[in-house]
Amino acid sequence: QVHLRESGPGLVKPSETLSLTCSVSGGSITNYYYTWIRQPPGKGLEWIGYVHYSGSASYNPSLNSRATMSVDTSNSLLSLTLTSVTAADTAIYFCARGRAVWGTYLDYWGQGILVTVSS
Amino acid sequence: DIQMTQSPSSLSASVGDRVTITCQASQDISNYVNWYQQKPGRAPKLLIYDASNLEAGVPSRFSGSASGTEFSFTISSLQPEDFATYYCQQFDVLPLTFGGGTKVDLK
Repeated sequence: QVHLRESGPGLVKPSETLSLTCSVSGGSITNYYYTWIRQPPGKGLEWIGYVHYSGSASYNPSLNSRATMSVDTSNSLLSLTLTSVTAADTAIYFCARGRAVWGTYLDYWGQGILVTVSS
Repeated sequence: DIQMTQSPSSLSASVGDRVTITCQASQDISNYVNWYQQKPGRAPKLLIYDASNLEAGVPSRFSGSASGTEFSFTISSLQPEDFATYYCQQFDVLPLTFGGGTKVDLK
């Protein structure tokens, strides 16, 4: 059974950089796309972007080039960094595995990690 | 970005009821829609892909259909474990976008 687990700081100061890691276990990290999605408390889902196991990535333009994703296939780790955060970046951040091109079918998800942006 | 207008935003229903949720896409997206269920404190779960295909292991009371740019999601007989929030998602064009969600609660 595939498992994903997000980790990182739960509190980030405004203007600083948010850095999260997602560990993938129970299956090969190759041949899939990995997506980061966030959800402000009590609100809907927002696609942040995807990273392919090959390292190629695509991001939501709404983030104004602040997001960067990478993959470490040797250690089955994904990472997300988001620069210059504001209170609007406060959300639960999920990593998810996606089947098919762009990882469109999100079949395995982490449990999510709440990140609060506050001084 | 493609807008997915989901309705209703919430509904109250009883066990055994038939429930239908719709998503209207802002442009033609073929059948490139998925449906997810999210329970409080949990990650979303994929139920329907490509508008009408049931994900493995998902009960057959869940179904989806498409007509032009309108997509429907139906629970044929609501069960206690189905009280949750449901989201549509389009994948025709990046960025992937979600509907606003429909919260299904107990009447």
